[in-house]
Amino acid sequence: NAGVTQTPKFQVLKTGQSMTLQCAQDMNHEYMSWYRQDPGMGLRLIHYSVGAGITDQGEVPNGYNVSRSTTEDFPLRLLSAAPSQTSVYFCASSLDRARTGELFFGEGSRLTVL
Amino acid sequence: AQTVTQSQPEMSVQEAETVTLSCTYDTSESDYYLFWYKQPPSRQMILVIRQEAYKQQNATENRFSVNFQKAAKSFSLKISDSQLGDAAMYFCAYLSYNFNKFYFGSGTKLNVKP
Repeated sequence: NAGVTQTPKFQVLKTGQSMTLQCAQDMNHEYMSWYRQDPGMGLRLIHYSVGAGITDQGEVPNGYNVSRSTTEDFPLRLLSAAPSQTSVYFCASSLDRARTGELFFGEGSRLTVL
Repeated sequence: AQTVTQSQPEMSVQEAETVTLSCTYDTSESDYYLFWYKQPPSRQMILVIRQEAYKQQNATENRFSVNFQKAAKSFSLKISDSQLGDAAMYFCAYLSYNFNKFYFGSGTKLNVKP
C-alpha cells in the first residue's frame, strides 16, 4: 500500500529557481492538500483541492501554484523560490473528511532555498 | 480564519504517568471537528483522536482521551499510562464546517522519561 507519496524528499534550490514538488495518492481520495511546517508555527495550509479540476487557496498561498488534472496527483509548484520558502512540505489526502476528518500524510519534503 | 493555540511548546512525563496537553481555538462556527495528530521523529503524521463539536461526550481511544469544553473553546488531550513510544510532537487541529480547511496549532513536544 503506497498511500501518499511525495517526491523529492530533499531539495536544495537557489533563489529564483523554480521547481515542482510531486504528490500522488493511490487511495482514490477526492480531497488533497499541501502544508508547510515551520518551527514554532505548526502546519499551515497552502492550497487544497476537493476534486479533479478544483483547487483553492489556503492560509499561505503566495509564491505557490497547484493544479489537479487527475484524482491521483496534486503537484505544488514554486515559481521563483525565495529563502522564506525554506520549510518542510507535507501533502495530505482524505477520503471522507466530513465523516472521519482523517488526513493521510506523505513523509514530507525538506526544501532549502539558498 | 480560525486559530488554534497550543501554549505548551514542550512537556515531559514519566513513563506510566498521565499527562495532559492543552489546546484552545477561536471560531465563530457552530459545527466543526477537532483532532489531535502525533508526529514522531520519523515525521509521519498520525491521527490520534477526533471529536465532533456537536457531540457532548468526550472521545476516547484506548489510553488517549479528550476533555472538550465547547463554550470555553478548549480541547485538551490526556495520555494515560504514558509509554516511551508516545514521545513525539502533538498537534491540535481544527476542521472547518465546510470540511475544506484544516488549521493546526504550533505543536507540543512530549518527552517521556523512563
